[in-house]
Amino acid sequence: DAGVIQSPRHEVTEMGQEVTLRCKPISGHNSLFWYRQTMMRGLELLIYFNNNVPIDDSGMPEDRFSAKMPNASFSTLKIQPSEPRDSAVYFCASSLPGGPETQYFGPGTRLLVL
Amino acid sequence: GQQLNQSPQSMFIQEGEDVSMNCTSSSIFNTWLWYKQEPGEGPVLLIALYKAGELTSNGRLTAQFGITRKDSFLNISASIPSDVGIYFCAGLSGNQFYFGTGTSLTVIP
Repeated sequence: DAGVIQSPRHEVTEMGQEVTLRCKPISGHNSLFWYRQTMMRGLELLIYFNNNVPIDDSGMPEDRFSAKMPNASFSTLKIQPSEPRDSAVYFCASSLPGGPETQYFGPGTRLLVL
Repeated sequence: GQQLNQSPQSMFIQEGEDVSMNCTSSSIFNTWLWYKQEPGEGPVLLIALYKAGELTSNGRLTAQFGITRKDSFLNISASIPSDVGIYFCAGLSGNQFYFGTGTSLTVIP
């Protein structure tokens, strides 16, 4: 079985550009989570969806960040405009119904904003 | 948001030694989880704990859910080189996850 799929795996962009990160959750999982990982702040939950509906976006740092889940098999995290301080590893994770503790993480997208 | 404090921050040990790390919080959690993250990968769940006082093993790994529900412990026995990585604790309250700061483990052959 394929795990959580994220693309791209690496992204280098210039400040001010729009960045779109993509995630395909594990089939049958109904919850999807976006995390950001940095050396300074560790692993932070940005937003999570349940049945394609955003439940808690309190971790989204600011209006430059937005996330969508148009269907059960696809989600995007967009940063517009990007800034150097957005450089981080962004993880997507998905979990089974009723089992948030069983979330599986994707391999991450390493973002560098110059 | 909440932050869980893990200690030690890093460990350098000889192969074969036992490892102990812990995670503390100012808040109570209903579930404690331990993850391992290897370079270039996402965290992988090692052990999940659901009840205060619970002691659970997964091979050479043993984790405990603290009685106060504000802490958890992870032990690795007879470490091997492939145990290298960063170990994270996570506390679950409702549907909110809070991750620890991580313990970086280096095993010297």
